[in-house]
Amino acid sequence: AQSVAQPEDQVNVAEGNPLTVKCTYSVSGNPYLFWYVQYPNRGLQFLLKYITGDNLVKGSYGFEAEFNKSQTSFHLKKPSALVSDSALYFCAVRDPNAGKSTFGDGTTLTVKP
Amino acid sequence: DTAVSQTPKYLVTQMGNDKSIKCEQNLGHDTMYWYKQDSKKFLKIMFSYNNKELIINETVPNRFSPKSPDKAHLNLHINSLELGDSAVYFCASSPQGLLSLYEQYFGPGTRLTVT
Repeated sequence: AQSVAQPEDQVNVAEGNPLTVKCTYSVSGNPYLFWYVQYPNRGLQFLLKYITGDNLVKGSYGFEAEFNKSQTSFHLKKPSALVSDSALYFCAVRDPNAGKSTFGDGTTLTVKP
Repeated sequence: DTAVSQTPKYLVTQMGNDKSIKCEQNLGHDTMYWYKQDSKKFLKIMFSYNNKELIINETVPNRFSPKSPDKAHLNLHINSLELGDSAVYFCASSPQGLLSLYEQYFGPGTRLTVT
């Protein structure tokens, strides 16, 4: 069975500082990995994904994520946080052989001015 | 143009009632989903349809019944509503089925409150 863990319920950073939102996964095969963002009272929006190839993927709003197969991680990063980045972030994993995506429990990012 | 739309946005009803939530996508996707987001913001898949065929049916009470009249629509009907059904329900869609490498597109959500 596949699973995904977001070990931090909450991440607080100051505006202008780098941010990292952590995600680890467990699947039997090679995973497809996704990050989504949810702003208050809105649906989830896709940020970026890793399917294959370069381990560093770049996405919307200046976010990037690094796929690390040995550590089974896919942490979301941004070099300089903005107050407007404050939101709920979800990591999701899909085993391409099994279908179905599994979402993590979400991490609330708060960026303070 | 709204890619994935849901109606209604808010739904307040009493225990024991029956209600429906509608979802439509204009993206031409083959696969549609229903998710439940509880008060702790945890997101759980409920159902998935691919080309009008049910392909995922998680452990959901049979009071919940999805219906897909065509590829662009996936509705959720809930019978005998209970307090624990209060949540935000999200519809989503994606191309090419469960094995797709494509991301999902989410609707704005329907906040269901059962009193």
